[in-house]
Amino acid sequence: DTEVTQTPKHLVMGMTNKKSLKCEQHMGHRAMYWYKQKAKKPPELMFVYSYEKLSINESVPSRFSPECPNSSLLNLHLHALQPEDSALYLCASSQPQDRGTTEAFFGQGTRLTVV
Amino acid sequence: AQSVAQPEDQVNVAEGNPLTVKCTYSVSGNPYLFWYVQYPNRGLQFLLKYITGDNLVKGSYGFDSEFNKSQTSFHLKKPSALVSDSALYFCAVIGGFYTGGFKTIFGAGTRLFVKA
Repeated sequence: DTEVTQTPKHLVMGMTNKKSLKCEQHMGHRAMYWYKQKAKKPPELMFVYSYEKLSINESVPSRFSPECPNSSLLNLHLHALQPEDSALYLCASSQPQDRGTTEAFFGQGTRLTVV
Repeated sequence: AQSVAQPEDQVNVAEGNPLTVKCTYSVSGNPYLFWYVQYPNRGLQFLLKYITGDNLVKGSYGFDSEFNKSQTSFHLKKPSALVSDSALYFCAVIGGFYTGGFKTIFGAGTRLFVKA
């Protein structure tokens, strides 16, 4: 299984809502990532989890809250978002760099619209 | 700081013709260079990478790339384009290694249109 699965595929939420994005992989990868991609722009790294611990937080606003409950799952909890947070949110996974591989496997993304 | 540049927003090529998508890099130390492709409303798919070794790298779907140290380039090439190759292509570099993970930095992207 070489897939990273993200749910939901589309999400529309109001600025006062609380929602969560989910990501799952069964490749035995121990590093997982959240990226944000605006239209016609490259993905930008938000968070990195390694061995279920937060490794990198790229100064992301606190209205985005990541969680890694186990080695296969990665969540992104959303609260009080702004319309400018509307984007494609991509999850990715990889082997940790100490295992010698450096390419990431991406999910299809969640298209988030904040109204 | 590690970075990559993709000088072309868009590349147009006729089906059956060779294609090149350009990328130049700026790195300190050993470069970890990648190409990813993104189809509409989809995530990114890994195509190929250069870390060390042979400068000519063969990737998925008939793509290859050549690491050129003197020109600091890592162009993506394919000898015969297909309409299905039409997509957004990102050159990328590892921007830093952290405990167990790494940061991938993407170029701005080049949209490839292959006309039948």
